[in-house]
Amino acid sequence: ETGVTQSPTHLIKTRGQQVTLRCSSQSGHNTVSWYQQALGQGPQFIFQYYREEENGRGNFPPRFSGLQFPNYSSELNVNALELDDSALYLCASSSWGASGELFFGEGSRLTVL
Amino acid sequence: GDSVTQMEGPVTLSEEAFLTINCTYTATGYPSLFWYVQYPGEGLQLLLKATKADDKGSNKGFEATYRKETTSFHLEKGSVQVSDSAVYFCALSSYNQGGKLIFGQGTELSVKP
Repeated sequence: ETGVTQSPTHLIKTRGQQVTLRCSSQSGHNTVSWYQQALGQGPQFIFQYYREEENGRGNFPPRFSGLQFPNYSSELNVNALELDDSALYLCASSSWGASGELFFGEGSRLTVL
Repeated sequence: GDSVTQMEGPVTLSEEAFLTINCTYTATGYPSLFWYVQYPGEGLQLLLKATKADDKGSNKGFEATYRKETTSFHLEKGSVQVSDSAVYFCALSSYNQGGKLIFGQGTELSVKP
């Protein structure tokens, strides 16, 4: 059974740039969620995708967007990067309706200079 | 809105000591409650869960009881090991929020031999 994999593991961008983070969900899972984890904080929900559509969104601006593909993998895109976007971005997969039982990847560490 | 509050860390214990990490929550309705653990260099993992009042979740010697009257879900372990050193996150999921998890800020546990 393949777990959740994320890429890249680390990246550095400058303010105003755009970034795309990728996630492959665990085998058998059809739902993907993205979280932002600032240093020393708990993860914050960005959004969730199910059947290739956004299904729930946290308190993040529209410059945070995503996609889910037919194979259930997903991308997180962030436009016009700001310094405060520096964080660990976590992808989690699950079965629809699993009620909080998420399987997390190790994350993508984004640094914005 | 819904929220989770955890005791602040870091918590440092000697091996075989008793562990309690406090967690309280605020939520409308009847959320499901979770403890996730993040070992160094690894992704978040579900440790245990409880879906209704008075339920006790348990795993790997850890326990937590869903207390509706005190809105709490404290994590306990009778005898910690060095391998339990990690960051522990309390989280809730509300029925009408789909897969969205709301996390506490995390409590770092360090167990010394």
